[in-house]
This record gives sequence, structure tokens and C-alpha cells, in this order.
Amino acid sequence: EADIYQTPRYLVIGTGKKITLECSQTMGHDKMYWYQQDPGMELHLIHYSYGVNSTEKGDLSSESTVSRIRTEHFPLTLESARPSHTSQYLCASSEYGTEETQYFGPGTRLLVL
Amino acid sequence: QKEVEQNSGPLSVPEGAIASLNCTYSDRVSQSFFWYRQYSGKSPELIMSIYSNGDKEDGRFTAQLNKASQYVSLLIRDSQPSDSATYLCAVTSGGSYIPTFGRGTSLIVHP
Repeated sequence: EADIYQTPRYLVIGTGKKITLECSQTMGHDKMYWYQQDPGMELHLIHYSYGVNSTEKGDLSSESTVSRIRTEHFPLTLESARPSHTSQYLCASSEYGTEETQYFGPGTRLLVL
Repeated sequence: QKEVEQNSGPLSVPEGAIASLNCTYSDRVSQSFFWYRQYSGKSPELIMSIYSNGDKEDGRFTAQLNKASQYVSLLIRDSQPSDSATYLCAVTSGGSYIPTFGRGTSLIVHP
């Protein structure tokens, strides 16, 4: 089983609040990713990182930001939550190289009222 | 823009049959190909990876890659109801090695 963790697992919050979704992995992987996925829909890459101090935006325009100060930690922050942010957020990590299997965390289900 | 196409399904097969899932991709220089399984409400998990043309078998699963035709497929033999899930195809290319995911194919195996 992959050692990648996300907290909280579920979050209900009011519009305008600042929230941080946590993601940690103990596999020493350099690459980490954040995806957004609505029920029954495709994965959308919103941010990724190649390593410490590296952050890149993904294909989906997002109002979130990320940081990568430590290899094992890749938090995602929403400065002002809105109902349109309601979704599931999946964190993943992978090793560098051609055989880059992604390991996914259990996800955070976010509901913004 | 790199594209990965999958039929969204659902693909319905009887228990014990062979399920065939297909995926096409647009980037000719794609190098790595992955099949993930995602149960409803859960995270994706790797089923198979394949990097060279031909077949790769792992238990009841066989991945098939044809780079000339730009498609990759997943065969599930002796399908079981527990195989009912969405199967995601992912493709990475040289350089960034950031995977592009397809929309996924929903598979239903009925008793």
C-alpha cells in the first residue's frame, strides 16, 4: 500500500474561508501532483512539483496555490473558498524516471457552502 | 495538446467473459503507458504499466501496446464482479513525464 496521506479526508466550509489541504508521502518521491476530480468525471491536473522549491501549474486553471518546502510535503491552499471549489482533491507522487507510476492518496472531499 | 481518448462506456460484460478496454493517444513520442483502476469514491490504483510494443501479462490482466497505431489496450480475462470499476488510461511523454489521463471507461461485470 502506498504511503501517501491526505488530511482532512472531508471538509465542509463556508464561502470566503481560507483552507489548506495537506498531502504527505514517505516514499522519498521527488514528483508530486494535485488533481481535482468531480464524481464520475475525469482527473484534472491543477498543480505539480518536480522537487523542493519547484511548483508548476497544471492544465486546469485553478485559484489555488501550492508550496514545496520539504520533499515529503505538498500542501494546497485556497485563499478564499467558493462553492465552485466543491470537488474531490487527489494528491499523488512518483519517482523520477521513465517508469513513473503514480501513487495516489485517499483524497479530500471538499464542500463549500 | 496531448490527448488520450477512451470510450466512457459503460462496458457491460458477463462474469467469466473477457473485457477489452481501449485507449488511443495523440502524441507520437509518448513513452510510458499506464492503466489505473478506480473504484467509485476511491483513488486510482495502478493495474498495469507497459513501455514496449507488444503484450504484457500479469495474472488475469494483459496490456497491449501498438505505438505505430497509437493505441494501448487492457484485457481482463475471467472478469469478476469485483472488476467493476472505472479504468483510466494514462500516457507520459519524454521531457516533462507528466502523465495525461483519459476520461476513463466504466466497466460493469454482471453475475
